[in-house]
Amino acid sequence: EPEVTQTPSHQVTQMGQEVILRCVPISNHLYFYWYRQILGQKVEFLVSFYNNEISEKSEIFDDQFSVERPDGSNFTLKIRSTKLEDSAMYFCASSQTGTGMGKTQYFGPGTRLLVL
Amino acid sequence: GQNIDQPTEMTATEGAIVQINCTYQTSGFNGLFWYQQHAGEAPTFLSYNVLDGLEEKGRFSSFLSRSKGYSYLLLKELQMKDSASYLCAVRDQYNQGGKLIFGQGTELSVKP
Repeated sequence: EPEVTQTPSHQVTQMGQEVILRCVPISNHLYFYWYRQILGQKVEFLVSFYNNEISEKSEIFDDQFSVERPDGSNFTLKIRSTKLEDSAMYFCASSQTGTGMGKTQYFGPGTRLLVL
Repeated sequence: GQNIDQPTEMTATEGAIVQINCTYQTSGFNGLFWYQQHAGEAPTFLSYNVLDGLEEKGRFSSFLSRSKGYSYLLLKELQMKDSASYLCAVRDQYNQGGKLIFGQGTELSVKP
């Protein structure tokens, strides 16, 4: 069964450093998302992406964050200058369409980011 | 504002039935999803409701009442592996690529 994959599974970085989290969505999906989950808290939406542009972003997704689909398969989240409070599990998700059952979002296994 | 409420924890016995409730208040509504999340892992899709009524899928069923802003997830014939967090999520907009708003999750413990 097709699934969303993410790399790396874990990333440790120093405050102020740039990190790039990578995702390979399910191949025939058209909508891509990033969410994060701080330990013990709920899953929070960061950004959605469709047709090579951002569809929607949350207040969390400030100028330090960016997303890119550099080729036909990868979808990346970049954090330019990490802060301690960016420590979280970051989930990539994708959905086939925006309507009906096709809007079901399937999640990758996550990247656990720790900022020291 | 956007608000989704679920009980924080529930405990049930192997072989029994458990119902996990979710109430929501969102600016719009375009579907309600239930996900299962084991500790340290990704949310896994369980069910989707957009119209009122019950959707059944094996041991899992989900119910929706849009007028009441209420859903429940029913798990039958509980197994130990069902111990996990169950997340209620609402898609609040009709636009393409609409985000999911998640509740805090209900931590279910299944005991022998």
